Amino acid sequence: GNSVTQMEGPVTLSEEAFLTINCTYTATGYPSLFWYVQYPGEGLQLLLKATKADDKGSNKGFEATYRKETTSFHLEKGSVQVSDSAVYFCALSDLYNQGGKLIFGQGTELSVKP
Amino acid sequence: DAGITQSPRHKVTETGTPVTLRCHQTENHRYMYWYRQDPGHGLRLIHYSYGVKDTDKGEVSDGYSVSRSKTEDFLLTLESATSSQTSVYFCAISEGQGAGYGYTFGSGTRLTVV
Repeated sequence: GNSVTQMEGPVTLSEEAFLTINCTYTATGYPSLFWYVQYPGEGLQLLLKATKADDKGSNKGFEATYRKETTSFHLEKGSVQVSDSAVYFCALSDLYNQGGKLIFGQGTELSVKP
Repeated sequence: DAGITQSPRHKVTETGTPVTLRCHQTENHRYMYWYRQDPGHGLRLIHYSYGVKDTDKGEVSDGYSVSRSKTEDFLLTLESATSSQTSVYFCAISEGQGAGYGYTFGSGTRLTVV
């Protein structure tokens, strides 16, 4: 079945450093891909999404490009801030398999130090 | 998120007792979901609903039941709570499935079974 694999955390960076969180997926159909963010004590919030190959999702300085050839959707940000400290989840939705329900990776915790 | 609320926010219960968690939405979305979040597992789908009285099982449904008698309410019941059900439970809603539909999440219920 479909699945999502993320790089293990925690990831610790200094403020203004470059961020990459790797995400790869396995899917038999043509999924949509998502990044969600969870701040401490809160629920998940949609950060960005891409619905087809080569699409780039972006929001709040974060970007991710849907790469079908490498089955990847890596999250990047050029300069992180302390306020970006959170847990980041990669997810996919495949309407033709598993009815379009979101399938999540295990999450990657990011800690940004001043 | 203002459109979706979960209650209670925290609960401690004893092994063997029944527990019901409530999810209430004001968005009139068709789809509702219950996930549990555990370290190292990300979010795993317990049950979901695609309309009033229409529900189905997710990947970790054993020991849980759900009901949806109104569009706005989705209840999750642990029939006889066990320590393995200690977790954070999230409810989510969506307008549709696939094709880039994201989910809106509640703030979660932290359940401890002692």
